[in-house]
Amino acid sequence: DTQMTQSPSSLSASVGDRVTITCRASQGISSSLAWFQKKPGKAPKSLIYAASSLQSGVSSKFSGSGSGTDFSLTISSLQPEDFATYYCLQYKTYPFTFGGGTKVEIK
Amino acid sequence: EVQLVESGGGLVQPGGSLRLSCAASGFTFSDHHMDWVRQAPGKGLEWVGRIRNKANGYTTEYAAPVRGRFTISRDDSKNSLYLQMNSLKTEDTAVYYCSRSPSGNILDVWGQGTTVTIS
Repeated sequence: DTQMTQSPSSLSASVGDRVTITCRASQGISSSLAWFQKKPGKAPKSLIYAASSLQSGVSSKFSGSGSGTDFSLTISSLQPEDFATYYCLQYKTYPFTFGGGTKVEIK
Repeated sequence: EVQLVESGGGLVQPGGSLRLSCAASGFTFSDHHMDWVRQAPGKGLEWVGRIRNKANGYTTEYAAPVRGRFTISRDDSKNSLYLQMNSLKTEDTAVYYCSRSPSGNILDVWGQGTTVTIS
């Protein structure tokens, strides 16, 4: 199975900060990488697919990059509604695997 | 409006069975691969499995922890997705979400989830 390692596991940031979360795959996955936002009691929300394609309706403050084994999600200017847990997902090979999550908290 | 609505969750004893349903609306259900994802209390997201669309033969894939115990099926005539869960274990306790994957995309729309408790 392809293991996905996210870092950091948590971070504290202020409103207006630029935040970057990274995800590393245990083997090459080309660009088969997605990012999701998860808030407690809510369904996950898809942000990015194919490593850098923005889902329809998602704010352009979210951006993704990378290919092969190293990927990143950047939030250009953190807003109160962005405090949540973020997960990466590889879908190159079965079983699909999520990263462990990055909890973004208010500083 | 594109919508997915799960149902069928509940409290079941270990070793029991449960069938989850996911009702789809607002899009051409038959065109999409469909997935189940779960989140155990205090844990991260875990992919459970997929059923491909008719064009891909309705074939299925499963995560190792559920393979042989869970079965994903669909009824395109009813725009419905199912997850049959047998031989349930306490570690299957989670919120279960269904999600669709259009061609070239992945898990773009999610249901609100249904809670399964094994105790």
